[in-house]
Amino acid sequence: DQQVKQNSPSLSVQEGRISILNCDYTNSMFDYFLWYKKYPAEGPTFLISISSIKDKNEDGRFTVFLNKSAKHLSLHIVPSQPGDSAVYFCAASNVQGGSEKLVFGKGTKLTVNP
Amino acid sequence: GAVVSQHPSRVICKSGTSVKIECRSLDFQATTMFWYRQFPKQSLMLMATSNEGSKATYEQGVEKDKFLINHASLTLSTLTVTSAHPEDSSFYICSVGGKYEQYFGPGTRLTVT
Repeated sequence: DQQVKQNSPSLSVQEGRISILNCDYTNSMFDYFLWYKKYPAEGPTFLISISSIKDKNEDGRFTVFLNKSAKHLSLHIVPSQPGDSAVYFCAASNVQGGSEKLVFGKGTKLTVNP
Repeated sequence: GAVVSQHPSRVICKSGTSVKIECRSLDFQATTMFWYRQFPKQSLMLMATSNEGSKATYEQGVEKDKFLINHASLTLSTLTVTSAHPEDSSFYICSVGGKYEQYFGPGTRLTVT
């Protein structure tokens, strides 16, 4: 049973436009969400996170939106740059429950075309 | 964030042999480290939680006798794949951190021939 779902395996956008990556989750106990970026043959690097008490968190070109009622979050990258091309993983955890475990989605491969 | 290294970055071994992967936290004392495995086009799957000075906690379906984890110090955890089979070929990644953020190592590509 996949608790964190990224239904789009790939996304292609033009440089300068907005990239929107989506993530859905099924476990209502998740209260903390993270986005990681991963290049081939490298470990993931942390991008941005959001607590379930918020609906938006912004850091430079990256903004994460959380819709708890829909169990949906999205990562917006604007403007997109070719260097943003990578696989983006959505992850969730149950922090209030004392868990340090992260549950990952399958990832979305973003390609930003010059 | 914490700096995490893994060694080796890639390893090729023959079926039936054992291979050890090291995960080092270079600037963060980690009482807990995590081991993940990633198959091609798949998500990162948590294999086990490594606890310093005590036994690791394995996720359901992960054979603890096959994937031996040792966390002898606050900066080093090792994963030993015993009696390796071709289906163990994968990308293994460790992480350190806590509830709010985890920092990942660069990963180890294991190929079993």
